[in-house]
Formats: sequence, C-alpha cells, structure tokens
Amino acid sequence: DADVTQTPRNRITKTGKRIMLECSQTKGHDRMYWYRQDPGLGLRLIYYSFDVKDINKGEISDGYSVSRQAQAKFSLSLESAIPNQTALYFCATTAAYTGELFFGEGSRLTVL
Amino acid sequence: RKEVEQDPGPFNVPEGATVAFNCTYSNSASQSFFWYRQDCRKEPKLLMSVYSSGNEDGRFTAQLNRASQYISLLIRDSKLSDSATYLCVVNIGAGNMLTFGGGTRLMVKP
Repeated sequence: DADVTQTPRNRITKTGKRIMLECSQTKGHDRMYWYRQDPGLGLRLIYYSFDVKDINKGEISDGYSVSRQAQAKFSLSLESAIPNQTALYFCATTAAYTGELFFGEGSRLTVL
Repeated sequence: RKEVEQDPGPFNVPEGATVAFNCTYSNSASQSFFWYRQDCRKEPKLLMSVYSSGNEDGRFTAQLNRASQYISLLIRDSKLSDSATYLCVVNIGAGNMLTFGGGTRLMVKP
C-alpha cells in the first residue's frame, strides 16, 4: 500500500461546485502539504500544516481551504471551483527538516 | 524573477551520453537543495540531496555553487530509463518550505 494516499485520483466537475480532495499518510510524519502542478510552472504550495493545530497558507491559497482532521489526514477543499483550478494536485508529507517529501500519486481535477 | 529557475528543455540525448542540468536560485539565504525526479503523470520522488561539498550516487553527481547561486546535476552514461523530468528543489528560509523549479525534461534516445 502507498504511504500517501489521495482520493479521488481523477475528478471532473463543473464551475461553482464544491470539491474535496482527501489525503492520508502512514509515514507517521507531522508535516503535510498540498501542492498543485501546472505545465511549465512546477509545483506550487497551496497550504501546509506542521501539526494538527497548525495550518498555514502557501504561495497560492486563494480559492482553497484545508482541514487537518488528524495527524494522518489532510484534506483540501475548493468551495466554488473555477476552470483555472484545473490542475494536478499532490499531497505530500515529510519529517521535520529532512527535505524528503513523500508524495501521493496525485489527484487530477478538471473544472468545466 | 522566479525563486528557482530551470531550463525546461527538453534535452534530447543518445544513450550513453553525459548530460548536465543547472538550476539557479535567487535567495542567498537558501539552506538546502535537492533534485527530484518525476516520471510522466507520476508523483515526484527524491533523487538526491545536494551537499556543499558535492555528492555522487552512481551515475549521478550533484554540485552546489553558493557564490553563483546554482546547483547542478550531471548524469553519466545515460539510460533510456533516465527519461523523466528533473525538478530542482530549494529550502528557502526557516522551517521546511521547499520551493520547486519548473523542471527540466530529459529524453534519452536509443
């Protein structure tokens, strides 16, 4: 089984719909992240959490919200999806200060 | 200017060739550096960390030049399986905030 699991893996939705992407990890790490990847732009940080009581905005948090339900679970929500949120979304986790991010397999979201 | 910049490529090389990628970063306070590999439609995975003294892992060599603010990745004796996108990652500032470059695509041809 994967150390970091994302659901759903693929989702097509319409403008204005609420979408939740879920992430769970079995690494036992405190730190979790949500990134989005667009062609040519690399990965950009949306939100990150260093423990269950800590939530921080990343580079591109507008239009997104997150919830850290437990050490192992970190979900990303799009309250009202828009087409420019079409992207590949990755959840990741890392131990403190190691620099090695462990990624989920990604969630491909298409907003029509 | 982007904080971490890479030539997007693609670099098209024959099997057995040596190829090198550079990555520049803008923040002189950057503390740690990494190369990740990403296969098409897959998640990125750590290839190697980059140490101040340079480091080697088999056919892969990573180097850091703090004065000029760039890191490099050298791949010797390229294999078809090396075809992927290589992401430069820089830890900028306090905490574990990793900033990704846009990636360099490598295609190794028979």
